[in-house]
Amino acid sequence: DTGVSQNPRHKITKRGQNVTFRCDPISEHNRLYWYRQTLGQGPEFLTYFQNEAQLEKSRLLSDRFSAERPKGSFSTLEIQRTEQGDSAMYLCASSSTGGLREKLFFGSGTQLSVL
Amino acid sequence: GIQVEQSPPDLILQEGANSTLRCNFSDSVNNLQWFHQNPWGQLINLFYIPSGTKQNGRLSATTVATERYSLLYISSSQTTDSGVYFCAVEGRRGGADGLTFGKGTHLIIQP
Repeated sequence: DTGVSQNPRHKITKRGQNVTFRCDPISEHNRLYWYRQTLGQGPEFLTYFQNEAQLEKSRLLSDRFSAERPKGSFSTLEIQRTEQGDSAMYLCASSSTGGLREKLFFGSGTQLSVL
Repeated sequence: GIQVEQSPPDLILQEGANSTLRCNFSDSVNNLQWFHQNPWGQLINLFYIPSGTKQNGRLSATTVATERYSLLYISSSQTTDSGVYFCAVEGRRGGADGLTFGKGTHLIIQP
């Protein structure tokens, strides 16, 4: 399977705990994105990497959220001191560099539940 | 930031029917994509179509960039077409917003 892979599929945590999610993009893709989706809404952009450089961050992204892509391959998204409002599906997507940004391919997501 | 409105919000059709889904956006775009989210939550990219017309099997899409809308056509619907269809755009003005998604059209195809 050469699609975008995300782990874990589900995460249940208690309020105040830290959580970390992993994303492995399609191997030849140099762009990697994180999105968040809540029930009944479209995905909401969080941040974007080109290779190992984090080029964009949403103004909505709390400083409790941090993302890394240390070697330009897989990426991690960490949420510190989780709150109930962080409960959502966290989606990772990747794309390749073109003259314009090309098609996004999404993983299956990590469903986070904060109790 | 750029605004995206999709219509209709919900659509229920019988198998074999045709449908047209609409996406209006508030500013010039350099990136527009259509996605299908199946009942298991997986987002599938259908089209990258900032302008013009594309076809893929029973699906086709048209974007009229000068009038700030895009249409997704589904012909001869099948039950597997059920799910939520999202339009997502990125404005030409850039900014740290990435692709902005609409709220989607929830499509149910009944056998």
